[in-house]
Amino acid sequence: EPEVTQTPSHQVTQMGQEVILRCVPISNHLYFYWYRQILGQKVEFLVSFYNNEISEKSEIFDDQFSVERPDGSNFTLKIRSTKLEDSAMYFCASGTEYGYTFGSGTRLTVV
Amino acid sequence: TQLLEQSPQFLSIQEGENLTVYCNSSSVFSSLQWYRQEPGEGPVLLVTVVTGGEVKKLKRLTFQFGDARKDSSLHITAAQPGDTGLYLCAVKRRGATNKLIFGTGTLLAVQP
Repeated sequence: EPEVTQTPSHQVTQMGQEVILRCVPISNHLYFYWYRQILGQKVEFLVSFYNNEISEKSEIFDDQFSVERPDGSNFTLKIRSTKLEDSAMYFCASGTEYGYTFGSGTRLTVV
Repeated sequence: TQLLEQSPQFLSIQEGENLTVYCNSSSVFSSLQWYRQEPGEGPVLLVTVVTGGEVKKLKRLTFQFGDARKDSSLHITAAQPGDTGLYLCAVKRRGATNKLIFGTGTLLAVQP
């Protein structure tokens, strides 16, 4: 069964550093998403990406965040100048209009 | 305020017991989904319900969508340790992106 693959599975970074989280979506999917889950809290929408541009973003997704699909397959989330409160699980998802599939996530720890 | 409130927040039961978890809202939805999330993994879709009053069964799991399409329940019969996980309801918000809004979650632990 097709999977959404995320790398790395774990990332520890110093506060103020930049991180790039990577995702390989399912190949025939057209919609791409990033969600975040802070430990013990619910899964929150960050951003959706369609037709090579951001189609919607939440209030969490401020100028610190950016997304790219640099080579037509990978889908990345860049977090600039990380803060302690950015520590969370970050999930990529890809989908069609009928539904979507989540990756296993990247656990980001900012120290 | 949360769009989707789930209850209970935590549930610890013995293997073989039955349980029901709830997902409630004051809003009406065209459809609602249930996901299960295991530690260190992403949410995995269990079912989508679309019709008011609809009941769907997935082995020992029974999902029901409320008649008014504002709430849903998940009933597990004869729970097993493998059912342990975080159960999330979610709805799609209208618009081009089909983003999901998740509920607050029910963390279920089934003790052997």
